[in-house]
Amino acid sequence: EVQVVESGGGWVQPGRSLRLSCAASGFTFGDYAMHWVRQAPGKGLEWVSSISWNGGNIGFADSVKGRFIISRDNARNSLFLQMNSLRTEDTALYYCAKGGSFVGPSRFDCWGQGTLVTVSS
Amino acid sequence: EMVLTQSPATLSVSPGERVTLSCRASQTVNNNLAWHQQKPGQAPRLLIYGASTRATDIPARFSGSGSGTEFTLTISSLQSEDFAVYYCQQYNNWPLTFGGGTKVEIK
Repeated sequence: EVQVVESGGGWVQPGRSLRLSCAASGFTFGDYAMHWVRQAPGKGLEWVSSISWNGGNIGFADSVKGRFIISRDNARNSLFLQMNSLRTEDTALYYCAKGGSFVGPSRFDCWGQGTLVTVSS
Repeated sequence: EMVLTQSPATLSVSPGERVTLSCRASQTVNNNLAWHQQKPGQAPRLLIYGASTRATDIPARFSGSGSGTEFTLTISSLQSEDFAVYYCQQYNNWPLTFGGGTKVEIK
């Protein structure tokens, strides 16, 4: 069964950092691009960041560019999101999603259950 | 940035009815459009990709159509488990974008 499971969320003060992880199973992780998508409480879905199969192509939403870093470890079937200089507007449920291709803009084939990040003083 | 506009925002429907949801793109996305379903308290789930291809294990009552800038998701006979929010998503260009969603609620 294709599955992705996020972890690492929690409460953090504005300006601080947090690192999210996503563990993948049930598919050849290194063959697919991976993505982070977030959903603020009561709001819609917002794409955050993407990384190609080998990490060679990376993209970010303007709202997080320069503050967030995406990375992956194909040997460990894991995806990461390093979130720095967090703001209250970054409060959201963060989903890890498997892409439909190895690189480039992609649909989201499989979603995790999400990990909640709360940024508040 | 590609803007996706979904309509209506909310749809009140009785079980068994046929449902049609709309998604309009601000510029062409070719057929690089997906539909996702999100039930309350759950993660989204991919329903349709490539505008009209059902994802794995998605029932045949769900169908997608359209190309270019106009797309439709149709549920032929709404079941109780289909009450949810539906989002369209384009993957023709960066940044990846979603529509604002259509909530399908019980009438």
